[in-house]
Amino acid sequence: GESVGLHLPTLSVQEGDNSIINCAYSNSASDYFIWYKQESGKGPQFIIDIRSNMDKRQGQRVTVLLNKTVKHLSLQIAATQPGDSAVYFCAENSGAGSYQLTFGKGTKLSVIP
Amino acid sequence: DTAVSQTPKYLVTQMGNDKSIKCEQNLGHDTMYWYKQDSKKFLKIMFSYNNKELIINETVPNRFSPKSPDKAHLNLHINSLELGDSAVYFCASSYRGKLFFGSGTQLSVL
Repeated sequence: GESVGLHLPTLSVQEGDNSIINCAYSNSASDYFIWYKQESGKGPQFIIDIRSNMDKRQGQRVTVLLNKTVKHLSLQIAATQPGDSAVYFCAENSGAGSYQLTFGKGTKLSVIP
Repeated sequence: DTAVSQTPKYLVTQMGNDKSIKCEQNLGHDTMYWYKQDSKKFLKIMFSYNNKELIINETVPNRFSPKSPDKAHLNLHINSLELGDSAVYFCASSYRGKLFFGSGTQLSVL
């Protein structure tokens, strides 16, 4: 079946550096993508989203890039801070009026002080 | 003000028991969900309700029965608990495709 995957299960970065978390998706019908952050003991929290008619969207210290040609999504975190340490998930909505999000496997980001 | 709240936070029980997890959202959303997160952090949808009606029912054993008394509540009842049911269960509600999660219920079946 169609699925969302991640290239890197774990990522360690130095505090202050930029982080890039990647995600590959396989459903070409997906038209909406979301990145979630899950801290230990908490539920996933919305970070940023992007629709398929865009290729880049920026938030506060975060940028999501969408490459539909290669079905690739990335989350860039600028000036990574210890509070960014968490598991990050990409999720896709397959469209057609569906509101069922399919989640990727998650990447654990560890920030080294 | 907690937007999506679920109780209990932790649930430890013996195999064969029946247990329930409650969920309430005060966001006014029409759609609510139950997700299961395994030990490898993989999130998988179990059920979805829209305005009290079941719209998604993934391949979940019929020991799991969701109940939605009104659109602000979606409870999950589990019969005859098994070891493999141990996981973290998340309730969520959604608006325009964006999910809002509760803080999770960690279920441990001994």
